[in-house]
Amino acid sequence: DQQVKQNSPSLSVQEGRISILNCDYTNSMFDYFLWYKKYPAEGPTFLISISSIKDKNEDGRFTVFLNKSAKHLSLHIVPSQPGDSAVYFCAGSITGTASKLTFGTGTRLQVTL
Amino acid sequence: ETGVTQTPRHLVMGMTNKKSLKCEQHLGHNAMYWYKQSAKKPLELMFVYSLEERVENNSVPSRFSPECPNSSHLFLHLHTLQPEDSALYLCASSQDPGRGVLHFGNGTRLTVT
Repeated sequence: DQQVKQNSPSLSVQEGRISILNCDYTNSMFDYFLWYKKYPAEGPTFLISISSIKDKNEDGRFTVFLNKSAKHLSLHIVPSQPGDSAVYFCAGSITGTASKLTFGTGTRLQVTL
Repeated sequence: ETGVTQTPRHLVMGMTNKKSLKCEQHLGHNAMYWYKQSAKKPLELMFVYSLEERVENNSVPSRFSPECPNSSHLFLHLHTLQPEDSALYLCASSQDPGRGVLHFGNGTRLTVT
């Protein structure tokens, strides 16, 4: 049972436009959600997170939206830049339990010139 | 040196070999993890150590044997692996209890022949 799903394996966006990456989850115990970014030959790096008590968190060009009733979150990147081309992983977490971080399969974003 | 360092970056081994992967973190974290990333699959949690005690063994075959001699070092000992064990093995660290903000190393690309 895949508790975190990223249904779009890839996304192509033009430079300067908005990138929207989507993620759905099934585990109602998740109280914290995270996005990680991964370049080839590197490990994932933490990008942005959101607590389940919020519906939006913004950090520069990156904004994460959470819709708890729909069990859906999305990552918006505005404006998209070529350096944003990477694989983005969504993850759900249960606070206080080191092992309870569950990842999606990732979405490969390509930002074209 | 900062962050999480993994060695070697690449490893090719035969099915009868014994090898070890090494991970070292310089972040002062108290939890360390091994993850496996196979193509088109979510990151799979293998082992978690918190305060040097193993707190999770996620149904991993016994041919994978972790060792955590102190809070800064983590090893994954490999023996009699199968070709399907070929994958990217990622080490991560975090502060536990926490919210799942993991800091990853760049991984070891393992090929079993």
